[in-house]
Amino acid sequence: QQQVKQSPQSLIVQKGGIPIINCAYENTAFDYFPWYQQFPGKGPALLIAIRPDVSEKKEGRFTISFNKSAKQFSLHIMDSQPGDSATYFCAATLYNTDKLIFGTGTRLQVFP
Amino acid sequence: GAGVSQTPSNKVTEKGKYVELRCDPISGHTALYWYRQSLGQGPEFLIYFQGTGAADDSGLPNDRFFAVRPEGSVSTLKIQRTERGDSAVYLCASSSRTSGRDADTQYFGPGTRLTVL
Repeated sequence: QQQVKQSPQSLIVQKGGIPIINCAYENTAFDYFPWYQQFPGKGPALLIAIRPDVSEKKEGRFTISFNKSAKQFSLHIMDSQPGDSATYFCAATLYNTDKLIFGTGTRLQVFP
Repeated sequence: GAGVSQTPSNKVTEKGKYVELRCDPISGHTALYWYRQSLGQGPEFLIYFQGTGAADDSGLPNDRFFAVRPEGSVSTLKIQRTERGDSAVYLCASSSRTSGRDADTQYFGPGTRLTVL
């Protein structure tokens, strides 16, 4: 119940494409859903985050769509660039806790 | 300003040895977290400090793992009698969270890659 399931494991798109990464959860006590980006040899860095009272959030080229009834959320990257090539992790935290529970990650490759 | 720093960046040790991994959080951040990331996996929570005290150590896998933060700033993760299965990247994060339900952004360091031979 404390898992966050992420798919796909890897994704290859051409420059300008719109990769979509999906995550699903079971525990309705999760109340904060961040996405992290990680480059090789670096720690994860926060991209964008959403709470369950909002169905969509956009920051620059990154958009989170959130479906509370389906317990699913997804990351869309508009106009993807080769520099977006990285591993992306969805995560969640339980109400009134601080520990992040991460998905298994999606390795994105954007070709020129 | 400086981000979260971790030392060493790489540590190779032999099975059965003791290791210490250090984390320097962002100045002024009261909350500090340790995670472990195995190859091809997402980070797994180990322990969370609020100030000097461990507020949640539910992720520590067994009693060989211990962490301290004696002055509420730098933290050390200590692993006794290391095993090959302990090989992973150990990540530290900090946030400015003081209290309340709102989760604040956790800023991660680059990690320490631990290899147990």
